[in-house]
Amino acid sequence: QVQLVESGGGLVKPGGCLRLSCAASGFTFSDYYMSWIRQAPGKGLEWLSYISGGSSSTNYADSVKGRFTISRDNAKDSLYLQMNSLRVEDTAVYYCVTGPQIRDANYWGQGALVTVSS
Amino acid sequence: DVVMTQSPLSLPVTLGQPASISCRSSQGLVYSDGNTYFNWFHQRPGQSPRRLIYRVSNRDSGVPDRFSGSGSGTDFTLKISRVEAEDVGVYYCVQTTHWPWTFGQGTKVEIK
Repeated sequence: QVQLVESGGGLVKPGGCLRLSCAASGFTFSDYYMSWIRQAPGKGLEWLSYISGGSSSTNYADSVKGRFTISRDNAKDSLYLQMNSLRVEDTAVYYCVTGPQIRDANYWGQGALVTVSS
Repeated sequence: DVVMTQSPLSLPVTLGQPASISCRSSQGLVYSDGNTYFNWFHQRPGQSPRRLIYRVSNRDSGVPDRFSGSGSGTDFTLKISRVEAEDVGVYYCVQTTHWPWTFGQGTKVEIK
């Protein structure tokens, strides 16, 4: 069965950086687009970024463009999110999300909590 | 960006009674391939969101048939025919037709 396991969350100061990882299993990772979606505490959901199976295509929400970078390593079945210049408002649970087609979002990880605070 | 507007935002329900949540998009959601990439998700406290309905009216595997989705154009509805205790939580409508994907504000369903 499809499994997505995020790691790398934690407490970081404003202006700092953090790298999230998502380990995937149960499907042919290189065939799937992957996305990151976040949820601020007690708030709704926000799509952040996607990357194509071969990494040729990426896209970002305006709120993170220029600060966050999505990448993947198909040899390791892993997805990453490099987060730089973090702000207090980036505090959220970050989910790794995928599906059989680019517009599917039926598989979610358990989430990784990122707290940006001084 | 496509704005997704849900109503109501809070929905107290009686066990065994029907419930309905509406979602309106600020623009049409039909993609160039003819599909409408409109989804409903359910999130219980402390859990990840789970997709219930995809492409307006298709139930995901394992989703009880008391859940049904309908709609077209810019107006969509999720119906629960008979609410059960496990249905509490927050329901989100989500469009994945246009980038960026956008979500409704969420509808909190609780038992009266």
